[in-house]
Amino acid sequence: DAGVTQSPTHLIKTRGQQVTLRCSPKSGHDTVSWYQQALGQGPQFIFQYYEEEERQRGNFPDRFSGHQFPNYSSELNVNALLLGDSALYLCASSLQRDTLSEQYFGPGTRLTVT
Amino acid sequence: AQKVTQAQTEISVVEKEDVTLDCVYETRDTTYYLFWYKQPPSGELVFLIRRNSFDEQNEISGRYSWNFQKSTSSFNFTITASQVVDSAVYFCALSERYGNNRLAFGKGNQVVVIP
Repeated sequence: DAGVTQSPTHLIKTRGQQVTLRCSPKSGHDTVSWYQQALGQGPQFIFQYYEEEERQRGNFPDRFSGHQFPNYSSELNVNALLLGDSALYLCASSLQRDTLSEQYFGPGTRLTVT
Repeated sequence: AQKVTQAQTEISVVEKEDVTLDCVYETRDTTYYLFWYKQPPSGELVFLIRRNSFDEQNEISGRYSWNFQKSTSSFNFTITASQVVDSAVYFCALSERYGNNRLAFGKGNQVVVIP
């Protein structure tokens, strides 16, 4: 049973560039959430996708956008990168109708903005 | 708004000692879920335990146990007889209304188990 996978593992970008991160949910899951974890901090919720729509959003600017595909996989896009966007980006998946369930996390993508 | 506070930052213990991590939460919802996650150096968050707001029964699962007290909004976590493999960052998290809802995390506790 495949768990949550994310790609790439590491990424280095220059300030002002754009980046796309990818996530495949755990088999059987239909909901994907994205979190940003700055060094030494707890993860911060960015947004959640279900049925190819953004269902919930945290306190992040519009530079952060996402997409969910029919196979439930998801992308996180960040435009006009800032140095402060350097962080570990975590993807989590869950099953929407199983309201008692926890979220399963992937290994993350480490983004460095120089 | 939901909020989770973990006061301690780094905790060092000698192997086989017990370690307790404190967590205080804030929420306006009457239905909520509390979690503890472990983050080893690899970075992946690993689910440990879950409790919902309607069940204050404290339990033990292997070497893990928790103390949930709604009266003080606390959800403390204990590792009994710590092992070197327990060295990691531990996060307390809260989701409102549903267990698979957005999570609010605390800042985490770095646990170092010294052999």
